[in-house]
Amino acid sequence: EIVMTQSPATLSVSPGERATLSCRASQSVSSKLAWYQQKPGQAPRLLIYGAFNRATGIPARFSGSGSGTEFTLTISSLQSEDFAVYYCQQYNNWPWTFGQGTKVEIE
Amino acid sequence: EVQLVESGGGLVQPGGSLRLSCAASGFTFSTYWMSWVRQAPGKGLEWVANIKEDGSEKYYVDSVKGRFTVSRDNTENSLYLQMDSLRTEDTAVYYCARDELSIHYYWGQGTLVTVSS
Repeated sequence: EIVMTQSPATLSVSPGERATLSCRASQSVSSKLAWYQQKPGQAPRLLIYGAFNRATGIPARFSGSGSGTEFTLTISSLQSEDFAVYYCQQYNNWPWTFGQGTKVEIE
Repeated sequence: EVQLVESGGGLVQPGGSLRLSCAASGFTFSTYWMSWVRQAPGKGLEWVANIKEDGSEKYYVDSVKGRFTVSRDNTENSLYLQMDSLRTEDTAVYYCARDELSIHYYWGQGTLVTVSS
């Protein structure tokens, strides 16, 4: 099973600032990497797939990069609605596995 | 509009059974893989199982193999998860998701399963 490790666990950011979230895979997942956003009491929402492709309706301030074992989600200018937990997931090898999440909170 | 509505959650004793349902609408259900993903209280996400468009292929995470069965009824636009021999560690919100190229593109709102005596 591929282990996904996200860092940091919590990221404190002021509105309007940039946020950079990391995700590392225990072995290569090629570009089969997705990012999800989850707000309290809500279902996760797909943000990014294929490491860098934005899902339908996702604002351009969200961008993904990386391949192999190292991936990054960048939120260029944090808006109030972006404070949430973010999960990465690999879908290159069964079973699909998620990282433990990064909570982006208001500084 | 894609809609996924889970139901069937509740409180069950260890060793008991529960059947979850997911009613799909707003898309051609029979042309998509579907998944179940769960989230224990205060914890992260765990993919549980998925099923091919026609039900001919099914995959499970090791922790539920032999206890959970995923199925679908394309005539009813519904996805199911039969959960037997439930354990306390199965306590979670269970989400159904529509998959596109293995990506969980759309999610339902989830149904809570609590396994406790």
